[in-house]
Amino acid sequence: AQTVTQSQPEMSVQEAETVTLSCTYDTSESNYYLFWYKQPPSRQMILVIRQEAYKQQNATENRFSVNFQKAAKSFSLKISDSQLGDTAMYFCAFMKRNQGGKLIFGQGTELSVKP
Amino acid sequence: NAGVTQTPKFQVLKTGQSMTLQCAQDMNHEYMSWYRQDPGMGLRLIHYSVGAGITDQGEVPNGYNVSRSTTEDFPLRLLSAAPSQTSVYFCASSSYVRNTEAFFGQGTRLTVV
Repeated sequence: AQTVTQSQPEMSVQEAETVTLSCTYDTSESNYYLFWYKQPPSRQMILVIRQEAYKQQNATENRFSVNFQKAAKSFSLKISDSQLGDTAMYFCAFMKRNQGGKLIFGQGTELSVKP
Repeated sequence: NAGVTQTPKFQVLKTGQSMTLQCAQDMNHEYMSWYRQDPGMGLRLIHYSVGAGITDQGEVPNGYNVSRSTTEDFPLRLLSAAPSQTSVYFCASSSYVRNTEAFFGQGTRLTVV
């Protein structure tokens, strides 16, 4: 069975600085996807970034980038130039290819961006 | 462009009562799922469906029933509510063809007293 672990329950960062959230996972699959979701106080789940396991290049979306280390089964999220609106709970998630509907989530990291 | 619509947003139940959480999507997605979110545990899969007429259990299915008679709707039924089912519930849908991320409803905060 697959598992996803986020070992940082809470983190804080000063506005405009950079922060990295950690995620490790365990799987014997070779074809899968990894995601970072953001959950602000509104409770809405918002996709931040997605990585396909067969792609070696790390995904990037504006200020958000990942460090995907497939052999180490690590998938960290880097947020550059942190903004107050980045304050949220962040979830790392795993999905086997062709098994949409079966996301496996980590425990979450609560990020506070301080002015 | 409604996406995934969940109702209600908030609900208080007494122990032993039953209720149905509604979920509808208008994106013609094949996959639909129900998750519950509890502090320190992330989101855990309750039930999921790969298409109309097909459902299967997730990680925490006990106490919940689902059915999927249409592509659009995927209701979650609590048969006899227990305090342990106090949680925030999310419905999600995704596309088999595009094989991309899940789209989530806004969640239902359920309290069982």
